[in-house]
Amino acid sequence: TQLLEQSPQFLSIQEGENLTVYCNSSSVFSSLQWYRQEPGEGPVLLVTVVTGGEVKKLKRLTFQFGDARKDSSLHITAAQPGDTGLYLCAAGGGSNYKLTFGKGTLLTVNP
Amino acid sequence: DAGVTQSPTHLIKTRGQQVTLRCSPKSGHDTVSWYQQALGQGPQFIFQYYEEEERQRGNFPDRFSGHQFPNYSSELNVNALLLGDSALYLCASKLRYNEQFFGPGTRLTVL
Repeated sequence: TQLLEQSPQFLSIQEGENLTVYCNSSSVFSSLQWYRQEPGEGPVLLVTVVTGGEVKKLKRLTFQFGDARKDSSLHITAAQPGDTGLYLCAAGGGSNYKLTFGKGTLLTVNP
Repeated sequence: DAGVTQSPTHLIKTRGQQVTLRCSPKSGHDTVSWYQQALGQGPQFIFQYYEEEERQRGNFPDRFSGHQFPNYSSELNVNALLLGDSALYLCASKLRYNEQFFGPGTRLTVL
């Protein structure tokens, strides 16, 4: 069973600060996905990383997949209140039908 | 183009009762998955339906059952409700191996 550990569990920062959240496992993944979930909503896919060492950017968000494909990080530059939400990493999907999620990092960005 | 829709939005039941949750997939999608998200946790995979058959199942008891209709919509049934079944139930749809899209969920409270 793939186990995804996310850290930190909670993060509260001021607008304009930078932050990094992590997703780690002892398993090797063919791909890993990052989602953001806002209160009262379902998770929304932000990015899928596939290649070891891959870096993807989505505006102020930078996603990195570890060289060994066992870990990933999400870095947010100059956080804004609109970035507030639960950030989830997940593995699987595709031919491995189910997605396995970590517990998430609950981010609060205070104005 | 409507996304994934779920009904009802909220539901309150008592222990021992039965509940049915409904999901309409995004237009053009043929595969529906159900997830349970307890408070403070990431979503956990319950099962996936494709061509009206259960294709994969997570670690959930037989009290959890489902169905997919010819129009690809789906139902999740939970019998003999327990307090621990209180959670947000998420439906996700996709077309074969492509990206999954999540609905807003049904919040189930068991008293």
